[in-house]
Amino acid sequence: SQTIHQWPATLVQPVGSPLSLECTVEGTSNPNLYWYRQAAGRGLQLLFYSVGIGQISSEVPQNLSASRPQDRQFILSSKKLLLSDSGFYLCAGNRARDTEAFFGQGTRLTVV
Amino acid sequence: QKEVEQDPGPLSVPEGAIVSLNCTYSNSAFQYFMWYRQYSRKGPELLMYTYSSGNKEDGRFTAQVDKSSKYISLFIRDSQPSDSATYLCAMSAHGGSQGNLIFGKGTKLSVKP
Repeated sequence: SQTIHQWPATLVQPVGSPLSLECTVEGTSNPNLYWYRQAAGRGLQLLFYSVGIGQISSEVPQNLSASRPQDRQFILSSKKLLLSDSGFYLCAGNRARDTEAFFGQGTRLTVV
Repeated sequence: QKEVEQDPGPLSVPEGAIVSLNCTYSNSAFQYFMWYRQYSRKGPELLMYTYSSGNKEDGRFTAQVDKSSKYISLFIRDSQPSDSATYLCAMSAHGGSQGNLIFGKGTKLSVKP
């Protein structure tokens, strides 16, 4: 079965510092991968998705970027964090032929 | 009108009650429907997946899709305190690699012992 590994679970970073969140996938090859942000009362917001190595689509223009250096690795980055970047970040993936997605356990980011 | 509407709750029920969770949607092209359960501070986990209209049952959970009314439901029988979580509906018009899911905002459920 497919498993999404995501770390760290909790992160506190100062404003203006860089960010790198990593997500890896087990149990499938060539998955579609997604980064979501979840804010209280606002549901899941799709930030980026990738259908393959080096292929990134951005859904929302913002202070964040994503990269996919390997088939099963997806990275969310920022050069300078803003207070508004605080939130619960979720990595998700699905096999190319499937519709349903599987999620990692999330990273709660607090920018102070 | 938002694409997917879901009552945020919170919904509080006694243990053993039948729970009904619902979502409405506006895009008639949606044909893939999912329910996710999310415990506090955890990632969502897939509970039920249905394609097109009809019912699907898995243990105490039943998912129902009514495409004519653009309405989906999740029923939980004999609810347990361990069912306390936020339930997210999700749907997509396309299967496979085109499938970017549209999520509801989630309904928070509390089952009291």
